[in-house]
Order: sequence, then structure tokens, then C-alpha cells
Amino acid sequence: AQTVTQSQPEMSVQEAETVTLSCTYDTSESDYYLFWYKQPPSRQMILVIRQEAYKQQNATENRFSVNFQKAAKSFSLKISDSQLGDAAMYFCAYQAQGGSEKLVFGKGTKLTVNP
Amino acid sequence: EAGVTQFPSHSVIEKGQTVTLRCDPISGHDNLYWYRRVMGKEIKFLLHFVKESKQDESGMPNNRFLAERTGGTYSTLKVQPAELEDSGVYFCASSLGYYSSYNEQFFGPGTRLTVL
Repeated sequence: AQTVTQSQPEMSVQEAETVTLSCTYDTSESDYYLFWYKQPPSRQMILVIRQEAYKQQNATENRFSVNFQKAAKSFSLKISDSQLGDAAMYFCAYQAQGGSEKLVFGKGTKLTVNP
Repeated sequence: EAGVTQFPSHSVIEKGQTVTLRCDPISGHDNLYWYRRVMGKEIKFLLHFVKESKQDESGMPNNRFLAERTGGTYSTLKVQPAELEDSGVYFCASSLGYYSSYNEQFFGPGTRLTVL
């Protein structure tokens, strides 16, 4: 069975600085998707960024980028120029290829942004 | 367009009682998922509907949990009788049709269930 591990229960960053959240996963599949979801306090979880395993290029979405190391099964999230609104729980998730498969989540990392 | 909605937002019940959680997916979304997060642990998959049919219910913890999706629209998750270990946040998510290469799952705000 696939597993996702987030080893940092909490992280903090100064406003305008850069922070990297770590995620490792385990799978025997070669094609799959990886995601970072963000859940702000008392709000819905939203998708931050998606990576297809067959793509070598790392995904980027504005200030958010990933470092995808397929051989190492590592998928870290870098947030540049951190903003107060980035404070949230961040969940790393895995999805088998198929389009509608269930998501497998890590335990989450609580990110605090200090002004 | 309305997002995924869940009702109630919070529920506090006593052990042995019954609770029913409701999820209204985004209109037109055939896929509907239930997940649960117990405090401090991973968000875990419970089950997946495609329209009104259960596609995968491998995550349902036991037969005290019953999920239905009436007419392929909203879904309910009933816990009967509730136990202390059922406490947690129950999330619902929905996504577009099954036969696509990738379908983003959109999440509801969750229902926080506390069993005393």
C-alpha cells in the first residue's frame, strides 16, 4: 500500500522569507500524481500544486514550487516570499494514476508565518 | 458556483448515539469521496461513490458506518452506534466524471464529530 510521510509537524517562517516543507512517499507504481493541499484555519482544503510523476520538470504555481525527486521518492514544497496568508496546515498527498482514485495523505505540517 | 458543502459543521454526541453527516457535492460532479482525520493523524480515505454506486469502500472502518448517495446527488454518512474512536473531522470531496485523465478533488469544510 502507498504511504506518505511528512516528518515536520510544525514549521515557521518569517514573512517574505522562503520555507521548504518535506514529504516522502512509498509506492511501487511508476505513474501517479503528487499534490500539496493547503487548509487555512477554519477553512476548506484547497489544492496548491500538482505534479505528474512522468514529468521530469518540477511544477510551479506563482510563489509555490516543488522539488520532485522520483528515484528518492521525495516531493518537497517551497514557498517563496512567504505571506501571512500562507499560514495553514499543508498536506502532501499521493494519487494512483486513473483520474479518480482516492488520495493518500500525510499527517500534515502546520506552517506559521511570523510578521 | 457553490463549492462542496457539509452539514453540520460540528456535532457532539454521546457514545452509543447515532449521527448522520451530509455532503452536497459540486453540481455535475459524479465522483464523491469521504475522508476522515482523527486528531494528529493522517487524513484517511473512507469511500468513493461514482454517481450513486459505491466504487471503493475499502476504507470504511466497520459496519457501524453506512454511506449512501441518493440519486447520485448528495451523500450521507451515518454512524450507528457511535464510539469514542469515531471522533474526528469528516471531509467530503467531489470531482468530475470518472473517465478522464485527471480530476481535481474539491473539498468541503468538514464536519467535526466529537463522541463523548
